[in-house]
Amino acid sequence: GQQLNQSPQSMFIQEGEDVSMNCTSSSIFNTWLWYKQDPGEGPVLLIALYKAGELTSNGRLTAQFGITRKDSFLNISASIPSDVGIYFCAGRGFNDYKLSFGAGTTVTVRA
Amino acid sequence: DVKVTQSSRYLVKRTGEKVFLECVQDMDHENMFWYRQDPGLGLRLIYFSYDVKMKEKGDIPEGYSVSREKKERFSLILESASTNQTSMYLCASSAGVPLGTDTQYFGPGTRLTVL
Repeated sequence: GQQLNQSPQSMFIQEGEDVSMNCTSSSIFNTWLWYKQDPGEGPVLLIALYKAGELTSNGRLTAQFGITRKDSFLNISASIPSDVGIYFCAGRGFNDYKLSFGAGTTVTVRA
Repeated sequence: DVKVTQSSRYLVKRTGEKVFLECVQDMDHENMFWYRQDPGLGLRLIYFSYDVKMKEKGDIPEGYSVSREKKERFSLILESASTNQTSMYLCASSAGVPLGTDTQYFGPGTRLTVL
């Protein structure tokens, strides 16, 4: 599958700050997923989006499925030290079992 | 909760050895996937299976084979391990139906080192 364009590649943030990252694709998707991966562990699903324009929250996390179906963003509000990790976006096209992945955004929180 | 388990967290093998990586899911999922993850290259799909005994090549199948004899278990086989197969291997599963809301859940990963 294609690699999605995820930005930023990395970020250093102050505890308490809000964080935003996004993902774009050259293809139209019908599913966007956001995962978090801690060092040495497998990715854990944070939010799943299935409908264009959909805005979904999971605690301090909010993600949106772009209207064009070619992008998605993830916001983390009031960051805390345990938000450290790598965040991946993933998307799937119509009638496709396979996911395409972004390269990840590495988040480091300064206490 | 969906649970995907992998047989080993860390594995060290020698060049030329045959290596088996096992993955088990407990949610009666139709689809199972094997990825490898390397710095700078992200997650790359090796093989996936959409039914028992059915498999399809992913983006980088060379040097690997798979086996799915039972619905809950998907094995990745390195017939003759090479140093360039040193990587983090991730298994995932998804329900498969309905496809429009299909979501993949990952196991904890196996860090394989080939010496």
